[in-house]
Amino acid sequence: ETGVTQTPRHLVMGMTNKKSLKCEQHLGHNAMYWYKQSAKKPLELMFVYSLEERVENNSVPSRFSPECPNSSHLFLHLHTLQPEDSALYLCASSQVEGSKTQYFGPGTRLLVL
Amino acid sequence: AQKITQTQPGMFVQEKEAVTLDCTYDTSDQSYGLFWYKQPSSGEMIFLIYQGSYDEQNATEGRYSLNFQKARKSANLVISASQLGDSAMYFCAMRRMDSSYKLIFGSGTRLLVRP
Repeated sequence: ETGVTQTPRHLVMGMTNKKSLKCEQHLGHNAMYWYKQSAKKPLELMFVYSLEERVENNSVPSRFSPECPNSSHLFLHLHTLQPEDSALYLCASSQVEGSKTQYFGPGTRLLVL
Repeated sequence: AQKITQTQPGMFVQEKEAVTLDCTYDTSDQSYGLFWYKQPSSGEMIFLIYQGSYDEQNATEGRYSLNFQKARKSANLVISASQLGDSAMYFCAMRRMDSSYKLIFGSGTRLLVRP
């Protein structure tokens, strides 16, 4: 089992749809992250969960709703998205101590029509 | 505010040669960490190497080494004996060594290895 997995890998949705992105880590980490990567922009940190508590929320619109039911799973619930939300969404995990080196999943490529 | 600058949008290297990817950073913190990631066209961000600001030796991981020059605030990645599979985007990133979890990423350098 690879370290960090994400499903689905590709998603096309309309602006009125509701969908969820799933992330699972098998590294025994206790912090998890959501990032957004748009074309020609640096990675943007969206949310951080540490020990299952949200510790960072970087001015993300409310149409993105994270959920961390346990230290191994992270979800990003999507509703009424806009075309500009089309991007690669990357999940990562790390330990809460030390260097906090983040290990990333393969990402979900999202297209909002 | 922290900032990472990667001035090379694209680089070419001949297979089996070494290549240096530049990274400079700006921070007023004394304690921080520097990271390099590789992103192939598949999208996954692959962790390559880490350097702590108080580490006296430059970090090395296999064919990757980090040329850390603290006074110049640079953290260049050196890839030795380039392989075709090294063709990818490379991102430099930094994190404050406090309670923050936030990684600040540069804009990346696209490396193309020629056969």
